[in-house]
Parts: sequence; structure tokens; C-alpha cells
Amino acid sequence: AQSVTQPDIHITVSEGASLELRCNYSYGATPYLFWYVQSPGQGLQLLLKYFSGDTLVQGIKGFEAEFKRSQSSFNLRKPSVHWSDAAEYFCAVAARAGTALIFGKGTTLSVSS
Amino acid sequence: NAGVTQTPKFQVLKTGQSMTLQCAQDMNHEYMSWYRQDPGMGLRLIHYSVGAGITDQGEVPNGYNVSRSTTEDFPLRLLSAAPSQTSVYFCASSGGTASYNEQFFGPGTRLTVL
Repeated sequence: AQSVTQPDIHITVSEGASLELRCNYSYGATPYLFWYVQSPGQGLQLLLKYFSGDTLVQGIKGFEAEFKRSQSSFNLRKPSVHWSDAAEYFCAVAARAGTALIFGKGTTLSVSS
Repeated sequence: NAGVTQTPKFQVLKTGQSMTLQCAQDMNHEYMSWYRQDPGMGLRLIHYSVGAGITDQGEVPNGYNVSRSTTEDFPLRLLSAAPSQTSVYFCASSGGTASYNEQFFGPGTRLTVL
């Protein structure tokens, strides 16, 4: 069965510092991979997605993620964090088009000044 | 386009009451789904539909019913509410060859069962 692990429940980063949020998935083939962000009391917004091709994916708000098949990982990065990036981040995976998303349990990002 | 809309935004129920959470999308998406979000648990799939007249169970379907009579609407019914169903419920839709599984989420319904 597919699964998604986000090892870090909570991360605190200083404003202006770089960020990396980890995501590991369990699936036999190349899945569809997503990162979503959720601000407090809000819905989910898609940051970026990976289906195939270039393993480094650019998203909105300056985020990027790299798919590493050998490590079954899809880590999210940002070179310089802004206070407005404080939110909860979810990694998600789907086996193929038209199937449901399986979400990780999320990582809460706090940004310190 | 309004995207994915959900009503109500907030709801308080007593144990044993029934209610329907409404979800509608105006993007002509074939795929719609319901998730619940609980602290520390991420989002878990309740039910989903790949088209009008077709529904299937997700990870946590017990206590919930769905139907899909039109492409636009995908209501979620709680038959007899229990405190364990206190949660935030999100409806999502996706469709089209360009978007694959990029799911668009509604704003959520916060449900409290007393």
C-alpha cells in the first residue's frame, strides 16, 4: 500500500534562512507527487507537483522540490524563508491519474525573526 | 469560476443527529473526493467519486454516505453523528488530462459533534 512519511512534525527556521522539508513515500513505481501548504484556518493550496521528466520541480512562492527515486524522497526546499511562509505543509502521493491522494501527516513550519 | 464550494462553513451537531455537508464545483471535473483533517493525522480520504453515478470508499468511510447524481455536486452525509466525527472536512475535485491528480480544495467545513 502507498504511504507518505513526513519525519518532521515541527520545524523552526529563522527568517532569511534556507528551508528543507522532508518527504518519503512508499510505492513501487513512480508516483504522482505533490506538496500543499495550509495557512491557519485556511484550505490547501498546491505548491508544486511532479509527474515525470525533470526531477527538480519549481513551484509557486519560490519553492522547489527534488524527486529522488533511489531514496524514495520528494523534499521541499526554499533558499530564503519569509515570515509569511509559516504554515503547515503536506506531502501527498497518488498511484496514477484518477486515484486518490494519500497525504503525509504534515510538517508545521514556524519562522523566527 | 467559483472553484470548489462547501457549505456550511461551521456546524455544531448533537450526537445522533444527521446532516449533509454540501460540495459543488463548477470546473466540470470528473473526480471528486472528501477528506477529513484531524490534528496530527494529516488528511484522510473518506469517499471519492470518479464520475456521476460512481462512488467508492476511502480510508475512513464508516459513518458516512455519499452519492454523485451530477458532475457538479458531491454531498457527504452523516447518518448518526458521533463525537469521533468532530473534524474539519474538505472536499476536492480534479480532472482534465493537463491536471492529472492536481486536486482543488474547498475552504472546508468545521464540524463539532457534542
